[in-house]
Order: sequence, then structure tokens, then C-alpha cells
Amino acid sequence: DAGVIQSPRHEVTEMGQEVTLRCKPISGHDYLFWYRQTMMRGLELLIYFNNNVPIDDSGMPEDRFSAKMPNASFSTLKIQPSEPRDSAVYFCASSAPGQGPYGYTFGSGTRLTVV
Amino acid sequence: GENVEQHPSTLSVQEGDSAVIKCTYSDSASNYFPWYKQELGKGPQLIIDIRSNVGEKKDQRIAVTLNKTAKHFSLHITETQPEDSAVYFCAASHDGYQKVTFGTGTKLQVIP
Repeated sequence: DAGVIQSPRHEVTEMGQEVTLRCKPISGHDYLFWYRQTMMRGLELLIYFNNNVPIDDSGMPEDRFSAKMPNASFSTLKIQPSEPRDSAVYFCASSAPGQGPYGYTFGSGTRLTVV
Repeated sequence: GENVEQHPSTLSVQEGDSAVIKCTYSDSASNYFPWYKQELGKGPQLIIDIRSNVGEKKDQRIAVTLNKTAKHFSLHITETQPEDSAVYFCAASHDGYQKVTFGTGTKLQVIP
């Protein structure tokens, strides 16, 4: 299994531009999570999906952020317009109840820099 | 909601010594406590976990303990090696798959 695949690995964009981060979960995993990691705030859950349906988006910082999961093998996190304070590493993770091991499998992350 | 506190934030040990990282949680309904290791430039990786019906779990040089009454859980690494150097996160949730709350992380440095 290739694990959770995120793209791009690095993204540098100018303030005001739209940014789209992509994630392919592990096949058969029906939960998908988007996290943001910064030095100041650590790992923050932004949103998670179950069977492609958003369950909890209370961590999405503001309306500039949106996430979709059009099918079981693909999700996007979009920031429009981007701001310098959005600079962080964004992780996608997936998990599957009833299958071992328990817990999340994280992707390698997308390092976003907004200048 | 759940709040997980983790200490210390940084920890330096000599190779071969033991390292202990401690966490507390606030939600008495939490019953699943995973630990993740994050190496530089990578995503966190699950290294060990414990459920609330178990007080201790070991996997080679790594062990976790849980005190549900006190809402404390700890990670113990024995005979530390340089490759153990990383950031370690504790976490808590009501089960292993839905919303997991992470601690703030401990940067462990093992000095050769």
C-alpha cells in the first residue's frame, strides 16, 4: 500500500492567491482528516469526513477555507484568498474502523508558504 | 471538548538512558490513547497505543502506562538510541478513528 498520498509536498504562493491541497487516502479507509501544524498551535484538526460526508468542520478557521471529498479516493482543501498566517504544514490522515491497526495513518504533508 | 497536556516540551537524554513523556487529559469518556512519532519532514507515525481497559502495554523498548483515575498516561522509552530522536505526540479520543485530540509534542534528543 502506498499510504496516504498528499500533493504538492511544497507550495509557495503570493498573498491573495487560491491554494488547493490534495489528498488520496488509503484504499478502504472511510475516515479522512485534515490537520494543520504550526509551531505556535501544534496539530489542529480542521475537518474530517466519514464516507465522503463532512462530519465536523468546527476547526476550519474561517470562510476562506473549504474542503471537499467528491469520492472515497480523493479530497481537497482549498484556501481562497490565502494569507501569510496560513503558512503551515497541512496533513491529511485516514483511518478505518474495524481494521487494524487502530489510529490514523498520516500523509507526508504539504508545506505551504504564503508570501 | 477534550484537552490534552504534554510535558516536557523538550527532553535531552544520553544514549542508553531512559526517556519518559507524560500526558494528562480532561475528558473522562476518552478510552483510546495513541502515541505518534514525527521525524523531520514527515507526518506523525503511530508507534504504540493503549485502551482504557489496560493499564500498561509494552512493545520492545517502548511502553505506555495509563492511570484512568488520575487521567494520566505516559510513554517510556528504554535504552534510547540516536534514531529515537524525534517529536513525540500523545493523543486521546473516544475511539481510535474519529476526532483525536493531540498534545503539544515533546522534542526528544538522544545524545550519542
